[in-house]
Amino acid sequence: AQSVTQLDSQVPVFEEAPVELRCNYSSSVSVYLFWYVQYPNQGLQLLLKYLSGSTLVKGINGFEAEFNKSQTSFHLRKPSVHISDTAEFFCAVRSGSARQLTFGSGTQLTVLP
Amino acid sequence: DGGITQSPKYLFRKEGQNVTLSCEQNLNHDAMYWYRQDPGQGLRLIYYSQIVNDFQKGDIAEGYSVSREKKESFPLTVTSAQKNPTAFYLCAGRHSTGELFFGEGSRLTVL
Repeated sequence: AQSVTQLDSQVPVFEEAPVELRCNYSSSVSVYLFWYVQYPNQGLQLLLKYLSGSTLVKGINGFEAEFNKSQTSFHLRKPSVHISDTAEFFCAVRSGSARQLTFGSGTQLTVLP
Repeated sequence: DGGITQSPKYLFRKEGQNVTLSCEQNLNHDAMYWYRQDPGQGLRLIYYSQIVNDFQKGDIAEGYSVSREKKESFPLTVTSAQKNPTAFYLCAGRHSTGELFFGEGSRLTVL
Protein backbone atom coordinates (compact mmCIF):
# COMPACT_ATOMS: atom_id res chain seq x y z
CA ALA A 1 0.00 0.00 0.00
CA GLN A 2 1.13 3.53 -0.67
CA SER A 3 0.44 6.63 1.40
CA VAL A 4 1.57 10.23 1.63
CA THR A 5 1.81 12.54 4.62
CA GLN A 6 2.13 16.28 4.28
CA LEU A 7 3.22 17.40 7.69
CA ASP A 8 2.04 21.00 7.55
CA SER A 9 -1.47 22.02 6.57
CA GLN A 10 -0.65 25.76 6.57
CA VAL A 11 2.66 27.50 5.95
CA PRO A 12 2.78 31.30 6.17
CA VAL A 13 5.99 32.95 4.98
CA PHE A 14 7.10 36.48 4.16
CA GLU A 15 7.86 37.50 0.60
CA GLU A 16 11.44 36.81 -0.54
CA ALA A 17 12.00 34.34 2.32
CA PRO A 18 12.85 30.68 1.63
CA VAL A 19 10.23 27.98 2.10
CA GLU A 20 10.16 24.21 2.53
CA LEU A 21 6.99 22.15 2.26
CA ARG A 22 7.40 18.70 3.73
CA CYS A 23 6.23 15.40 2.27
CA ASN A 24 6.83 11.87 3.53
CA TYR A 25 5.66 8.73 1.77
CA SER A 26 5.18 5.11 2.65
CA SER A 27 5.76 2.36 0.14
CA SER A 28 7.48 -1.01 0.11
CA VAL A 29 8.55 -0.81 -3.52
CA SER A 30 10.03 1.69 -5.92
CA VAL A 31 8.17 4.99 -6.13
CA TYR A 32 7.40 7.82 -8.46
CA LEU A 33 6.81 11.15 -6.73
CA PHE A 34 5.04 14.32 -7.79
CA TRP A 35 4.30 17.81 -6.55
CA TYR A 36 1.25 19.66 -7.84
CA VAL A 37 0.08 23.24 -7.26
CA GLN A 38 -3.53 24.41 -7.16
CA TYR A 39 -4.70 28.01 -7.38
CA PRO A 40 -8.21 28.86 -6.10
CA ASN A 41 -11.03 27.27 -8.06
CA GLN A 42 -8.68 25.70 -10.55
CA GLY A 43 -7.37 22.24 -11.33
CA LEU A 44 -3.99 20.91 -10.29
CA GLN A 45 -0.86 21.76 -12.27
CA LEU A 46 2.27 19.64 -12.19
CA LEU A 47 5.24 21.42 -10.55
CA LEU A 48 7.81 18.64 -10.79
CA LYS A 49 8.24 14.88 -10.72
CA TYR A 50 10.78 12.28 -9.70
CA LEU A 51 10.78 9.13 -11.81
CA SER A 52 14.43 8.03 -11.55
CA GLY A 53 17.99 9.37 -11.79
CA SER A 54 19.14 12.51 -10.00
CA THR A 55 17.56 12.91 -6.60
CA LEU A 56 17.38 16.71 -6.97
CA VAL A 57 14.53 17.63 -9.25
CA LYS A 58 13.92 21.11 -10.60
CA GLY A 59 10.46 22.24 -11.57
CA ILE A 60 8.59 25.26 -12.80
CA ASN A 61 8.48 28.67 -11.12
CA GLY A 62 11.81 28.16 -9.32
CA PHE A 63 10.68 25.21 -7.18
CA GLU A 64 12.82 22.15 -6.57
CA ALA A 65 12.52 18.95 -4.54
CA GLU A 66 14.90 16.33 -3.26
CA PHE A 67 14.13 12.62 -3.15
CA ASN A 68 15.55 11.04 0.00
CA LYS A 69 15.05 7.30 -0.03
CA SER A 70 16.47 6.65 3.43
CA GLN A 71 14.12 9.17 5.01
CA THR A 72 11.25 8.40 2.59
CA SER A 73 10.84 12.10 1.95
CA PHE A 74 10.31 14.39 -1.03
CA HIS A 75 10.36 17.93 0.38
CA LEU A 76 9.63 20.91 -1.87
CA ARG A 77 11.76 24.06 -1.61
CA LYS A 78 12.04 27.52 -3.06
CA PRO A 79 14.85 29.90 -2.07
CA SER A 80 12.78 33.09 -2.39
CA VAL A 81 9.00 33.18 -2.63
CA HIS A 82 6.72 35.72 -4.27
CA ILE A 83 3.19 36.80 -3.46
CA SER A 84 2.08 34.91 -6.59
CA ASP A 85 3.27 31.63 -5.05
CA THR A 86 0.30 31.68 -2.67
CA ALA A 87 -1.54 28.44 -3.45
CA GLU A 88 -2.21 24.94 -2.20
CA PHE A 89 0.45 22.32 -2.85
CA PHE A 90 -0.10 18.58 -3.06
CA CYS A 91 2.44 15.79 -2.88
CA ALA A 92 1.55 12.51 -4.62
CA VAL A 93 3.08 9.05 -4.90
CA ARG A 94 2.69 6.12 -7.24
CA SER A 95 4.48 2.95 -6.29
CA GLY A 96 5.48 -0.03 -8.40
CA SER A 97 2.76 -1.05 -10.79
CA ALA A 98 -0.01 0.86 -9.02
CA ARG A 99 -2.50 2.38 -11.42
CA GLN A 100 -3.35 5.49 -9.45
CA LEU A 101 -1.66 8.28 -7.58
CA THR A 102 -2.22 8.72 -3.87
CA PHE A 103 -2.35 12.36 -2.80
CA GLY A 104 -1.46 14.01 0.47
CA SER A 105 -3.96 16.26 2.22
CA GLY A 106 -2.29 19.41 0.90
CA THR A 107 -0.31 22.36 2.29
CA GLN A 108 -1.64 25.89 1.95
CA LEU A 109 1.27 28.24 1.31
CA THR A 110 0.48 31.88 2.06
CA VAL A 111 3.08 34.47 1.12
CA LEU A 112 2.80 37.65 3.15
CA PRO A 113 3.96 41.10 2.00
CA ASP B 1 -5.55 23.47 -27.55
CA GLY B 2 -4.91 20.08 -25.99
CA GLY B 3 -6.08 19.22 -22.55
CA ILE B 4 -8.78 18.03 -20.22
CA THR B 5 -12.05 19.96 -20.47
CA GLN B 6 -14.61 19.83 -17.69
CA SER B 7 -18.10 21.31 -17.77
CA PRO B 8 -19.96 22.94 -16.27
CA LYS B 9 -17.59 24.88 -14.01
CA TYR B 10 -20.38 25.60 -11.51
CA LEU B 11 -23.51 23.55 -10.98
CA PHE B 12 -26.38 23.79 -8.53
CA ARG B 13 -28.63 20.86 -7.73
CA LYS B 14 -31.70 20.31 -5.64
CA GLU B 15 -31.72 17.37 -3.28
CA GLY B 16 -32.94 14.19 -4.96
CA GLN B 17 -31.71 15.12 -8.43
CA ASN B 18 -29.06 13.32 -10.44
CA VAL B 19 -26.47 15.47 -12.21
CA THR B 20 -23.83 14.59 -14.78
CA LEU B 21 -20.41 16.24 -14.97
CA SER B 22 -18.68 16.18 -18.33
CA CYS B 23 -15.01 15.38 -18.90
CA GLU B 24 -13.49 15.39 -22.38
CA GLN B 25 -9.84 14.95 -23.38
CA ASN B 26 -7.85 15.24 -26.59
CA LEU B 27 -4.52 14.05 -25.16
CA ASN B 28 -5.05 10.45 -26.27
CA HIS B 29 -4.82 9.23 -22.67
CA ASP B 30 -5.98 5.68 -22.10
CA ALA B 31 -6.53 6.13 -18.38
CA MET B 32 -8.87 8.71 -16.86
CA TYR B 33 -9.80 9.51 -13.28
CA TRP B 34 -12.41 11.33 -11.21
CA TYR B 35 -11.47 12.84 -7.86
CA ARG B 36 -13.48 14.64 -5.23
CA GLN B 37 -11.89 17.47 -3.27
CA ASP B 38 -13.13 18.73 0.08
CA PRO B 39 -11.35 21.34 2.23
CA GLY B 40 -8.53 19.81 4.27
CA GLN B 41 -8.99 16.32 2.82
CA GLY B 42 -6.91 16.42 -0.32
CA LEU B 43 -8.13 14.44 -3.32
CA ARG B 44 -10.13 11.26 -2.99
CA LEU B 45 -10.52 8.86 -5.90
CA ILE B 46 -14.09 8.18 -7.01
CA TYR B 47 -13.70 6.09 -10.20
CA TYR B 48 -11.08 5.43 -12.80
CA SER B 49 -10.96 3.86 -16.23
CA GLN B 50 -7.95 2.21 -17.86
CA ILE B 51 -9.58 1.57 -21.21
CA VAL B 52 -12.81 2.10 -23.14
CA ASN B 53 -15.82 0.19 -21.78
CA ASP B 54 -14.03 -0.61 -18.53
CA PHE B 55 -13.87 1.23 -15.19
CA GLN B 56 -13.12 0.51 -11.53
CA LYS B 57 -14.36 1.92 -8.25
CA GLY B 58 -12.04 4.11 -6.26
CA ASP B 59 -12.11 4.82 -2.54
CA ILE B 60 -15.45 6.68 -2.43
CA ALA B 61 -17.56 5.31 -5.32
CA GLU B 62 -20.86 5.03 -3.43
CA GLY B 63 -23.49 7.36 -4.87
CA TYR B 64 -21.60 7.91 -8.12
CA SER B 65 -21.60 6.27 -11.55
CA VAL B 66 -19.47 6.61 -14.68
CA SER B 67 -19.32 5.43 -18.27
CA ARG B 68 -16.50 5.16 -20.80
CA GLU B 69 -18.10 4.61 -24.19
CA LYS B 70 -15.30 6.37 -26.04
CA LYS B 71 -11.69 7.19 -25.26
CA GLU B 72 -12.19 10.95 -25.22
CA SER B 73 -15.07 11.06 -22.76
CA PHE B 74 -15.48 10.03 -19.11
CA PRO B 75 -18.65 11.56 -17.61
CA LEU B 76 -19.47 11.31 -13.91
CA THR B 77 -23.04 11.11 -12.60
CA VAL B 78 -23.70 12.19 -9.05
CA THR B 79 -26.83 10.33 -8.03
CA SER B 80 -29.40 11.11 -5.38
CA ALA B 81 -27.86 8.30 -3.33
CA GLN B 82 -24.78 10.44 -2.66
CA LYS B 83 -25.46 11.82 0.82
CA ASN B 84 -23.11 14.79 0.75
CA PRO B 85 -22.46 15.74 -2.87
CA THR B 86 -21.42 19.38 -2.41
CA ALA B 87 -17.75 19.40 -3.41
CA PHE B 88 -15.19 20.29 -6.07
CA TYR B 89 -14.82 17.53 -8.68
CA LEU B 90 -11.67 17.04 -10.71
CA CYS B 91 -11.17 14.91 -13.79
CA ALA B 92 -7.70 13.83 -14.92
CA GLY B 93 -5.99 11.86 -17.65
CA ARG B 94 -2.79 9.90 -17.12
CA HIS B 95 0.29 10.38 -19.26
CA SER B 96 2.54 7.42 -20.09
CA THR B 97 5.08 8.67 -17.49
CA GLY B 98 2.45 8.34 -14.78
CA GLU B 99 1.72 12.00 -14.17
CA LEU B 100 -1.85 13.23 -14.25
CA PHE B 101 -3.17 16.12 -16.28
CA PHE B 102 -6.16 17.78 -14.64
CA GLY B 103 -9.15 19.70 -15.88
CA GLU B 104 -10.20 22.99 -14.32
CA GLY B 105 -12.75 21.32 -12.07
CA SER B 106 -16.51 21.47 -11.53
CA ARG B 107 -17.98 22.88 -8.33
CA LEU B 108 -21.26 21.22 -7.38
CA THR B 109 -23.51 22.79 -4.76
CA VAL B 110 -26.63 21.11 -3.44
CA LEU B 111 -29.33 23.58 -2.44
